[in-house]
Amino acid sequence: AQSVAQPEDQVNVAEGNPLTVKCTYSVSGNPYLFWYVQYPNRGLQFLLKYITGDNLVKGSYGFEAEFNKSQTSFHLKKPSALVSDSALYFCAVRDNQAGTALIFGKGTTLSVSS
Amino acid sequence: DAGVIQSPRHEVTEMGQEVTLRCKPISGHNSLFWYRQTMMRGLELLIYFNNNVPIDDSGMPEDRFSAKMPNASFSTLKIQPSEPRDSAVYFCASSPGQPYGYTFGSGTRLTVV
Repeated sequence: AQSVAQPEDQVNVAEGNPLTVKCTYSVSGNPYLFWYVQYPNRGLQFLLKYITGDNLVKGSYGFEAEFNKSQTSFHLKKPSALVSDSALYFCAVRDNQAGTALIFGKGTTLSVSS
Repeated sequence: DAGVIQSPRHEVTEMGQEVTLRCKPISGHNSLFWYRQTMMRGLELLIYFNNNVPIDDSGMPEDRFSAKMPNASFSTLKIQPSEPRDSAVYFCASSPGQPYGYTFGSGTRLTVV
């Protein structure tokens, strides 16, 4: 079975400060890991993914995430937050076995204050 | 490409009525997924198709829910009869397959009164 946890319902950060949105996962095989962002009344938009290779993955809008196999984590980070980054962020995982679908965390609301 | 297209964007219906949600995936994507989003339960996978064949429907909550994919360019999610607890945003997503991610539609906001 596969699962993903986002331990924080909300993260608050001041504009210009670094941000971290946490994600841990559980899969039976090797993971494919994703981050998506959702703005109000919109669908989910892809930010970045880890499939294999370098543990530090860079994505859209200056976001990056670090895959840590020993801690089964895939935290989303950005060096300097913008007010426009305020949104709902989802971590998702699937096993690299064929025939599996993405399982999403419950989401973390990021609020960036000016 | 216009992306994943869902219709309608909003649907308000009375309890007991049949509701049909529609999805057109991105051309060339061979996997299609239906998710439901609520405040309480987050994003739940309802069902997904590979090459128009249902692979896993274990997330479909009850027999009142059914989904079809008659061809590679169209899928429907039907609820009959609808109940107030079905109120949610329903998303369709498509993918070209592993290891790629999904492209989501804008969703259908369903309200059952």
